[in-house]
Amino acid sequence: EVQLQQSGPELEKPGASVKISCKASGYSFTGYNMNWVKQSNGKSLEWIGNIDPYYGGTSYNQKFKGKATLTVDKSSSTAYMQLKSLTSEDSAVYYCARWDRYDVSMDYWGQGTSVTVSS
Amino acid sequence: DVVMTQTPLSLSVTIGQPASISCKSSQSLLYSNGKTYLNWLQQRPGQAPKHLMYQVSKLDPGIPDRFSGSGSETDFTLKISRVEAEDLGVYYCLQGTYYPQTFGGGTKLEIK
Repeated sequence: EVQLQQSGPELEKPGASVKISCKASGYSFTGYNMNWVKQSNGKSLEWIGNIDPYYGGTSYNQKFKGKATLTVDKSSSTAYMQLKSLTSEDSAVYYCARWDRYDVSMDYWGQGTSVTVSS
Repeated sequence: DVVMTQTPLSLSVTIGQPASISCKSSQSLLYSNGKTYLNWLQQRPGQAPKHLMYQVSKLDPGIPDRFSGSGSETDFTLKISRVEAEDLGVYYCLQGTYYPQTFGGGTKLEIK
């Protein structure tokens, strides 16, 4: 069974950085890209970017360049997203989602990680 | 970026009745390989999104066949033939033809 287990909620101060994890199981981690998606205030969804765990190559939404950095640890089948220079606009729920490059779909999703930025 | 526009914003449906959600894209989603990368997702209250359908009309494994998708180019529709209580939530369309991938604003399905 494919599972994506994300790290717990984060409370950070403005200007800080946070690193969220997404541990994959039930499939070959290096065989699928990992996407990251932002959901603000229970509203719609924004694609942040994705990473190829095999080669480490990344693709970012221009809006999130400089804000988000995607990495992976193949040895633990874990994907990470770091968000830096946090502001209140970064308060949201962040999801990792497996990317099926053949169907071109985000077929499995993590449970989400809440990030709250507050002084 | 490709803009995905969903209508209606919300709909209230009696159990056993059909429901229909429209999604329109600002550009044709037909890719050069002849495939159209339009997906549908469901987000139940308090849960993560769940993938329902890809390439317009192909259901994910385990998704009931009361869900169906249709459309082409810029106009797409998600239909539920007979709504059940477990279908409540927000439905999103998502295009994967262009980078960045973009989502519709969501349609909230409520049960009367």
